Amino acid sequence: GQNIDQPTEMTATEGAIVQINCTYQTSGFNGLFWYQQHAGEAPTFLSYNVLDGLEEKGRFSSFLSRSKGYSYLLLKELQMKDSASYLCAVRDSNYQLIWGAGTKLIIKP
Amino acid sequence: IAGITQAPTSQILAAGRRMTLRCTQDMRHNAMYWYRQDLGLGLRLIHYSNTAGTTGKGEVPDGYSVSRANTDDFPLTLASAVPSQTSVYFCASSESGGEAYNEQFFGPGTRLTVL
Repeated sequence: GQNIDQPTEMTATEGAIVQINCTYQTSGFNGLFWYQQHAGEAPTFLSYNVLDGLEEKGRFSSFLSRSKGYSYLLLKELQMKDSASYLCAVRDSNYQLIWGAGTKLIIKP
Repeated sequence: IAGITQAPTSQILAAGRRMTLRCTQDMRHNAMYWYRQDLGLGLRLIHYSNTAGTTGKGEVPDGYSVSRANTDDFPLTLASAVPSQTSVYFCASSESGGEAYNEQFFGPGTRLTVL
């Protein structure tokens, strides 16, 4: 079967750095996405990785290792507005997204 | 309108009733998708359409049907609602489906409760 694993919940302090991990087992791999979802709102796109390595975009970076079936999202200089759920999704052999259950990130002052 | 709109925002429905969730996008995207989101589970694809006039089944299509008569609209119909269809439903779109990379843009969601 297809499986995306993420921690259910994480807590971090304002101004700090947090790393949210995602491991996957899917039928085929055609890219990995990270989305942010604030409570009661729609998911919004953060990043996309299809090759191994680190993609940096401002305070957010995303890393991919295809051989390990592993990705992480790194958030730096955390702000209160970063409190949200972070969703990992893999595009499978049918080019459809398989989604993890999401990681709820709680930021404390 | 800009982006994707969904209607209604929320709905309480008696079991056995028929219900259509509406989705409209103004970005001229070719591909559209319907997902459901349940607590503790990831988004699950119900149906998708890579271009107007075509549709495909996702991971959880049973009890749902869709149509894609034009580029902008992608309604989702529950023929006879059951309590297990209580969920938050998200419509999404992307420039194209299939092999081309492109991010999906999501509508605000419809919260559906079936009693």
